[in-house]
Amino acid sequence: NAGVTQTPKFRILKIGQSMTLQCAQDMNHNYMYWYRQDPGMGLKLIYYSVGAGITDKGEVPNGYNVSRSTTEDFPLRLELAAPSQTSVYFCASSVVGPSSYEQYFGPGTRLTVT
Amino acid sequence: AQSVSQHNHHVILSEAASLELGCNYSYGGTVNLFWYVQYPGQHLQLLLKYFSGDPLVKGIKGFEAEFIKSKFSFNLRKPSVQWSDTAEYFCAVNGDGGKLIFGQGTELSVKP
Repeated sequence: NAGVTQTPKFRILKIGQSMTLQCAQDMNHNYMYWYRQDPGMGLKLIYYSVGAGITDKGEVPNGYNVSRSTTEDFPLRLELAAPSQTSVYFCASSVVGPSSYEQYFGPGTRLTVT
Repeated sequence: AQSVSQHNHHVILSEAASLELGCNYSYGGTVNLFWYVQYPGQHLQLLLKYFSGDPLVKGIKGFEAEFIKSKFSFNLRKPSVQWSDTAEYFCAVNGDGGKLIFGQGTELSVKP
């Protein structure tokens, strides 16, 4: 299994540009998540999904959109990039049950908006 | 609301020193607790987890953590650190709806 994969690894955007961060998992996990990581701030949840066709906002959703048309894929879209969106973005997946909340993380996308 | 607090932002140790990183949480339901590690330039990896049973949990690379319910704590320990333990460490607790709530992270620097 490849686990959780993310593309691209690095990206530089100009203010106002748009882009989609790709995330895929091959573990048949029902839950998927997008986080952003900023120095000293830990991980903040942007959006999450409990299954195909179902998404919900996390702690910091403004400026982002998601979709989940398949179990495997969970892309994150930035419509009008702003410098405040400079961050490292991690996608994660999990199987959520009575004794399982463990999340598996992808390698991350480092995004710079200038 | 659920929250996780990690007391130390940056810890500097010499090799062979003992390590204890503090983590306190607030959550009203049944807790599942985690420690994740992020080595420089890499993604988060699970170190250990607690779901139920023995409150002393052993993880990979010689790490362990103790769940103390009365103190709402889940501190991470290692008797003797190595230079390769240099990383950022995150404590997390399960939140509602399958979410994890992460602490701010503790950066550990181990001097050779």
